[in-house]
Amino acid sequence: AQTVTQSQPEMSVQEAETVTLSCTYDTSESDYYLFWYKQPPSRQMILVIRQEAYKQQNATENRFSVNFQKAAKSFSLKISDSQLGDAAMYFCAYWSGNTGKLIFGQGTTLQVKP
Amino acid sequence: NAGVTQTPKFQVLKTGQSMTLQCAQDMNHEYMSWYRQDPGMGLRLIHYSVGAGITDQGEVPNGYNVSRSTTEDFPLRLLSAAPSQTSVYFCASSWVLAGGLWTGELFFGEGSRLTVL
Repeated sequence: AQTVTQSQPEMSVQEAETVTLSCTYDTSESDYYLFWYKQPPSRQMILVIRQEAYKQQNATENRFSVNFQKAAKSFSLKISDSQLGDAAMYFCAYWSGNTGKLIFGQGTTLQVKP
Repeated sequence: NAGVTQTPKFQVLKTGQSMTLQCAQDMNHEYMSWYRQDPGMGLRLIHYSVGAGITDQGEVPNGYNVSRSTTEDFPLRLLSAAPSQTSVYFCASSWVLAGGLWTGELFFGEGSRLTVL
């Protein structure tokens, strides 16, 4: 079974600085997607970025980028120029192309200090 | 523009009672799922469905039943509530494109807070 692990329950960053959130996963599949979701206090889930496993190039979305290390099964999220609005819980997620399951990690709470 | 609608938003049950959490989406999504969110545990998949008439178990299915008789609705049934089922429950849906291509954009409901005494 696939698992997703986020080993950092909490992180903090100074406004305008850069922070990296870690995620590792375990799978024997070759067809899968990886995602980072953001959950602000409103509890709404927001898709931040996605990465297709077959793509070697790391995904980027404005200030958000990932470091996808397929062999190491690592998928970290880098937030550049952090803003107060980035404060939220961030979830790493794995989607199986075989089963259609979307599995989430435990989440990392990010605090942004002014 | 309703999106994903969950009802009720809050519910208090006694141990042993049964109830159904309703989830409806109006976006013609094939994929629907139920998660529970607990502190320190993240979101855990309970059950999911990739189309009407098709359901499958997630990570924590015990104590919960689902059915998918229509594309729009995916109710979650608690057969005999236990205090361990106290949680916030999220319904989520998405398109799943042919060939496994998927944007990953999962549409979530606002959540249902369930307390079992």
